[in-house]
Amino acid sequence: GQNIDQPTEMTATEGAIVQINCTYQTSGFNGLFWYQQHAGEAPTFLSYNVLDGLEEKGRFSSFLSRSKGYSYLLLKELQMKDSASYLCAPMDSNYQLIWGAGTKLIIKP
Amino acid sequence: NAGVTQTPKFRILKIGQSMTLQCTQDMNHNYMYWYRQDPGMGLKLIYYSVGAGITDKGEVPNGYNVSRSTTEDFPLRLELAAPSQTSVYFCASSQQENQPQHFGDGTRLSIL
Repeated sequence: GQNIDQPTEMTATEGAIVQINCTYQTSGFNGLFWYQQHAGEAPTFLSYNVLDGLEEKGRFSSFLSRSKGYSYLLLKELQMKDSASYLCAPMDSNYQLIWGAGTKLIIKP
Repeated sequence: NAGVTQTPKFRILKIGQSMTLQCTQDMNHNYMYWYRQDPGMGLKLIYYSVGAGITDKGEVPNGYNVSRSTTEDFPLRLELAAPSQTSVYFCASSQQENQPQHFGDGTRLSIL
């Protein structure tokens, strides 16, 4: 079957760094997306990895290891506005996204 | 700069009623998707379309229908609404299948 495993909830301090892990099993693989979703809002695109390694985009970085079925999202210099859910979504062989329930990140002052 | 627009934003239906959730995008994207999101769960794909005139079932299509007569519009039809269809519905679009999906603001639907 296809499944995603992410922590349900994480807490971090403003200004700190947090790493959100995601492990996945899919039928085939065509890349992995990370989305941010604030409460009551729509998901918004953060990053896309299709090859192994680290992709850096400002305060956010995403890492992929295809052989391990593993990805992480790294958030630096945390701000209060980063309080949101972070959704890991690998793409299977049919180019369909498999969505996890997401990790709710709580930022404390 | 509208992007993906969904209407209505909120709706309450009685069991057995029907309705159409509207979705339109102005980015000339080929691919469009309908998802539902239940509390504490991941997004579930209901239907998708790879272009005008072509639609395909996703993971949870039962109780829903779609059409794609134009590139811009992708309405979702609920026939005989049931309490299990209470959810938040998101429409999304992308230029190609392996490119980021852009989401509308969602429709919050309650079936009572």
